[in-house]
Amino acid sequence: AQSVTQPDIHITVSEGASLELRCNYSYGATPYLFWYVQSPGQGLQLLLKYFSGDTLVQGIKGFEAEFKRSQSSFNLRKPSVHWSDAAEYFCAVLLSGTYKYIFGTGTRLKVLA
Amino acid sequence: KAGVTQTPRYLIKTRGQQVTLSCSPISGHRSVSWYQQTPGQGLQFLFEYFSETQRNKGNFPGRFSGRQFSNSRSEMNVSTLELGDSALYLCASSLDNTDTQYFGPGTRLTVL
Repeated sequence: AQSVTQPDIHITVSEGASLELRCNYSYGATPYLFWYVQSPGQGLQLLLKYFSGDTLVQGIKGFEAEFKRSQSSFNLRKPSVHWSDAAEYFCAVLLSGTYKYIFGTGTRLKVLA
Repeated sequence: KAGVTQTPRYLIKTRGQQVTLSCSPISGHRSVSWYQQTPGQGLQFLFEYFSETQRNKGNFPGRFSGRQFSNSRSEMNVSTLELGDSALYLCASSLDNTDTQYFGPGTRLTVL
């Protein structure tokens, strides 16, 4: 069955440190890939997406993600984390030919001052 | 352009009651999807509507239903509420569901 795995439930980093959030998917073909961020009590905001082309994707707020087909991964990175980045991050895939998104279980990021 | 709006933002109901939640998509968006978000289960897909037709449905009981109007606004209904229905219900819209989804702020439903 198709699935999205975010192996890290919680991550804590110091402000200014680099960040990498992991995402792996299980699907026969290359899906459309997304990263969303959710602040407490809010809906989800799109950070970036990958449909095709360059496997390194730039997003908002200084985030980037790299699609690696051989590893079925789409990891999110940021070179220097800000305190305002503390939130929950969701990886999602849209299966081609369907109308259904599958979300990972999320990674909650805590930023230490 | 205004974002996705959901009403009400907060709702408290008791077991056995029914509830209707509303979602107004971004202007021009014809696809509306609904999700249930809980701490234990994460984001679970409920259903997706496009041009008043349900195109896909998640694994939820028949107590959960929805509809979409000609102006693309959508409602979801939950009948015979159970305690486990307490959740944040998120609506997302897109031009088509092969496109990026934009989420509303959600409706927080508490069932007592």
